[in-house]
Amino acid sequence: DVKVTQSSRYLVKRTGEKVFLECVQDMDHENMFWYRQDPGLGLRLIYFSYDVKMKEKGDIPEGYSVSREKKERFSLILESASTNQTSMYLCASSSLGTTIGEEAFFGQGTRLTVV
Amino acid sequence: KNEVEQSPQNLTAQEGEFITINCSYSVGISALHWLQQHPGGGIVSLFMLSSGKKKHGRLIATINIQEKHSSLHITASHPRDSAVYICAVAPPLFSGGYNKLIFGAGTRLAVHP
Repeated sequence: DVKVTQSSRYLVKRTGEKVFLECVQDMDHENMFWYRQDPGLGLRLIYFSYDVKMKEKGDIPEGYSVSREKKERFSLILESASTNQTSMYLCASSSLGTTIGEEAFFGQGTRLTVV
Repeated sequence: KNEVEQSPQNLTAQEGEFITINCSYSVGISALHWLQQHPGGGIVSLFMLSSGKKKHGRLIATINIQEKHSSLHITASHPRDSAVYICAVAPPLFSGGYNKLIFGAGTRLAVHP
């Protein structure tokens, strides 16, 4: 059974902390994505990566960075967490040349609360 | 105005009812996707459409490219269909943004026994 695994289902962090959200996929996919999901807004793309050490900004990259040192792992970093980053974070992957929706391999999500 | 609008936002149905969820979009697309998100967060792909109609079990998805509208129908609904249904569109391939889906806000469906 193919999997996209996010390291935590729930996280509570303090304002100003550096936060790492980890995502691992076992499908040898080239593309990996980080989204955040907020009520009434739908999923919004933060960053995506189409290869190791490659990254591109999505629609809302401010306040975030990413790291892709290995093909299977894509990390989202909140450099200094703020309360407006309280959200559900979803990781996803797809193989090169396919759209994310075609395969739609999403992780279970991490609900982050910043207090 | 959002580029992808779904209606209704919330839907409650009795088991066995026929359900329709609508999606309208205002941009050019290469494909439209219907996704299902169960409580707990996991998202699975239901359909990818570029024209016409697709059917999978009790689920039917249609798209009208000229009207920029798609519908997702569930026949003989069941409590296990309770989930958030998300419409997303993929920009045209020539735009280079084929991976950057634009998502609707989702429709929360609750089916009661």
